[in-house]
Amino acid sequence: DVKVTQSSRYLVKRTGEKVFLECVQDMDHENMFWYRQDPGLGLRLIYFSYDVKMKEKGDIPEGYSVSREKKERFSLILESASTNQTSMYLCASNQGSSYEQYFGPGTRLTVT
Amino acid sequence: AQSVTQPDIHITVSEGASLELRCNYSYGATPYLFWYVQSPGQGLQLLLKYFSGDTLVQGIKGFEAEFKRSQSSFNLRKPSVHWSDAAEYFCAVGGWNAGNMLTFGGGTRLMVKP
Repeated sequence: DVKVTQSSRYLVKRTGEKVFLECVQDMDHENMFWYRQDPGLGLRLIYFSYDVKMKEKGDIPEGYSVSREKKERFSLILESASTNQTSMYLCASNQGSSYEQYFGPGTRLTVT
Repeated sequence: AQSVTQPDIHITVSEGASLELRCNYSYGATPYLFWYVQSPGQGLQLLLKYFSGDTLVQGIKGFEAEFKRSQSSFNLRKPSVHWSDAAEYFCAVGGWNAGNMLTFGGGTRLMVKP
């Protein structure tokens, strides 16, 4: 079974802090994705990566950056957290030739 | 650009009743369509997918969905709902000209009455 894990289920940070969310997949997938999930808006793509050290902006990249130094790990970075970044963050991965995405359990981030 | 609309934000059904969740998509080529389910506090789990072929697809947990190209729809159905089906359901669309990207609908939250 594909397993996607995220470093924290719940996180509380203060405004202005630097925040790291980490995601690890164990199926040697080429592609990895970060989404944020807000009520009524579904999932919106923040960034994705199709290879180590490669990244592409999604629909809402402002205020975020990412890092992919190893194939299995994809990190989302909030350089200076703000209250409007309070949300559920979901990581996903898939094979290069596939469309089906496998999701982690999510990190619920609260910025106060 | 592709888009997905799930017209119903909330739906409540009685246990044992039938269920249909609506999904309409906009996509400029042959779409690949997905339904995911998210139980409270969990990530998304794939219920079923349509790539080509038979327009009625079967998924896990007794769910099925029908692709109707003329209506740009991919509605999810279940003949008899169980209390454990209470969750949020997401429809998604992708395709060859979108890379590996999926576009998700806003979700439908299903509540099940005993």
